[in-house]
Amino acid sequence: DTAVSQTPKYLVTQMGNDKSIKCEQNLGHDTMYWYKQDSKKFLKIMFSYNNKELIINETVPNRFSPKSPDKAHLNLHINSLELGDSAVYFCASSLAGGPWDTQYFGPGTRLTVL
Amino acid sequence: AQTVTQSQPEMSVQEAETVTLSCTYDTSESDYYLFWYKQPPSRQMILVIRQEAYKQQNATENRFSVNFQKAAKSFSLKISDSQLGDAAMYFCAYRKALNAGNMLTFGGGTRLMVKP
Repeated sequence: DTAVSQTPKYLVTQMGNDKSIKCEQNLGHDTMYWYKQDSKKFLKIMFSYNNKELIINETVPNRFSPKSPDKAHLNLHINSLELGDSAVYFCASSLAGGPWDTQYFGPGTRLTVL
Repeated sequence: AQTVTQSQPEMSVQEAETVTLSCTYDTSESDYYLFWYKQPPSRQMILVIRQEAYKQQNATENRFSVNFQKAAKSFSLKISDSQLGDAAMYFCAYRKALNAGNMLTFGGGTRLMVKP
């Protein structure tokens, strides 16, 4: 009964490739997020998305794009991968509109670009 | 822009003792939320405790409590009766109450080691 799941857990790929990371939540939440955690453990928001709007952190390159086939899924697609994209990527979800809007995180996907 | 600072990259505590992790933040907002998340070696981010800025009473969750000093913009986490399972990275996070996208801003993290 995993709440927020991500696949794959590990992803190793070559520079220049295009890859996707999948995220699914079974919590009935309506807002999903992607975060990037670099090698120094700094965790930064990349996107926030619900069925109404996509909020993009202005520092995110346009090679990164979230794709949401339905409310329970928010996949992260990355074009033309670069060495600096190596990081752990976390998906999260929350129930927007609540007083807390607490975010629940997935287990992370470690991306290594060679 | 809001910033969150955790000045202690690493902390160490003896099992069963108490440890306090520091967090300061910078904001011009009056209403916001603060969180502590735990990240064990499994990498999962787990919510530990949360605090509403308009509440003066410090939040408590079992062995975890916070010392929220709004004027000083400080939000420290106290772990009592430390257990081996508390060893993890701890992240302080901030979110504006009115926040397009409900995005969290995280501090740089503190690695907590628990000695048996």
